[in-house]
Amino acid sequence: KNEVEQSPQNLTAQEGEFITINCSYSVGISALHWLQQHPGGGIVSLFMLSSGKKKHGRLIATINIQEKHSSLHITASHPRDSAVYICAVYGGATNKLIFGTGTLLAVQP
Amino acid sequence: DVKVTQSSRYLVKRTGEKVFLECVQDMDHENMFWYRQDPGLGLRLIYFSYDVKMKEKGDIPEGYSVSREKKERFSLILESASTNQTSMYLCASSLFGTSGIYEQYFGPGTRLTVT
Repeated sequence: KNEVEQSPQNLTAQEGEFITINCSYSVGISALHWLQQHPGGGIVSLFMLSSGKKKHGRLIATINIQEKHSSLHITASHPRDSAVYICAVYGGATNKLIFGTGTLLAVQP
Repeated sequence: DVKVTQSSRYLVKRTGEKVFLECVQDMDHENMFWYRQDPGLGLRLIYFSYDVKMKEKGDIPEGYSVSREKKERFSLILESASTNQTSMYLCASSLFGTSGIYEQYFGPGTRLTVT
């Protein structure tokens, strides 16, 4: 079993829909990263959080440390949001990331 | 803005060749990382370095070595490339500090094909 699990693995949505991607982890963490990767592209950091909630534009990330769970929400989705979204955690007190396998999101016009 | 650059976006090499992948960051970060990314497996850490000339093995170091002669540059070396090293390679960098965890910044990736 992976230490970081994401669901769903694949997601197709219609433009304008509200999208939720989930991340559960089984290790103690000091922080959690949400990352975005466009096809053929590099990885961009969306959020790093260790508690509560962060918002940037149409993206919202939440984390529940007690439940070992985080969610990434996209409001009013757009085709340009189509990408792989990756959850990664900093395990314990290290600076090493443990990655989920990603969620492939396709937003159709 | 932090910038992490990698020497090539696409690379095709033959089995047995020695391959160098270079990564440069411009933000004076102490930590640098090399990952490979494969479908269904996600990103896996190959090696990382927390200072010049310092290195530590990650989860999958076999078949790879690294070099960090200058703070801004971290090289990944495939001593004798094999087909199972065909993958996307990503470099990242971050600050180092005992008081907290710092965000990692990623390069654009190098897609290496070994034939």
